[in-house]
Amino acid sequence: ETGVTQSPTHLIKTRGQQVTLRCSSQSGHNTVSWHQQALGQGPQFIFQYYREEENGRGNFPPRFSGLQFPNYSSELNVNALELDDSALYLCASGGATYNEQFFGPGTRLTVL
Amino acid sequence: QKEVEQNSGPLSVPEGAIASLNCTYSDRGSQSFFWYRQYSGKSPELIMFIYSNGDKEDGRFTAQLNKASQYVSLLIRDSQPSDSATYLCAVRNQGGKLIFGQGTELSVKP
Repeated sequence: ETGVTQSPTHLIKTRGQQVTLRCSSQSGHNTVSWHQQALGQGPQFIFQYYREEENGRGNFPPRFSGLQFPNYSSELNVNALELDDSALYLCASGGATYNEQFFGPGTRLTVL
Repeated sequence: QKEVEQNSGPLSVPEGAIASLNCTYSDRGSQSFFWYRQYSGKSPELIMFIYSNGDKEDGRFTAQLNKASQYVSLLIRDSQPSDSATYLCAVRNQGGKLIFGQGTELSVKP
């Protein structure tokens, strides 16, 4: 158990809809990152937050946005869903040292 | 060129053998390096991290880092069938982003 939880576990949406995924980190974990993992691929870095500020972003369009809250929870929002957004979405959290990053169980998103 | 590259495998080794997994990275300013294990249908699980040149050992696992060659490896001694999984190399680059390779599938045959 990593102490990182995600909800929901599975989600089915249709193209054009919006979705919010949630992550709850361990107390004291100031950094959180979100990753998209397509089937058979490694995780792709979406963005990360440190103390509620975004401090790094991968090659994802602006319709992918996020928030980090003071209670060690965070959200990933995706607008105007596309079929290619179907993937496993992972959040990872860790302390300020940027060393150990622990993953939650993931949310499996299917876009029809 | 991908920022982090791994052989996709599959790598097949007999039980009890040493499995050697390799990873190269392109950003010379990368700060820290991670190996994760991912079982099918599960999320990645951190095995170990390394940030200094040389070897770091933890039980049956040894991570090796060579910053001059931009190379990091993971050795698994006395491989067990339960080690069969996909192994992901991840690099914290100079910009602080955690970048993953595509993963190497390891199969340990009894």
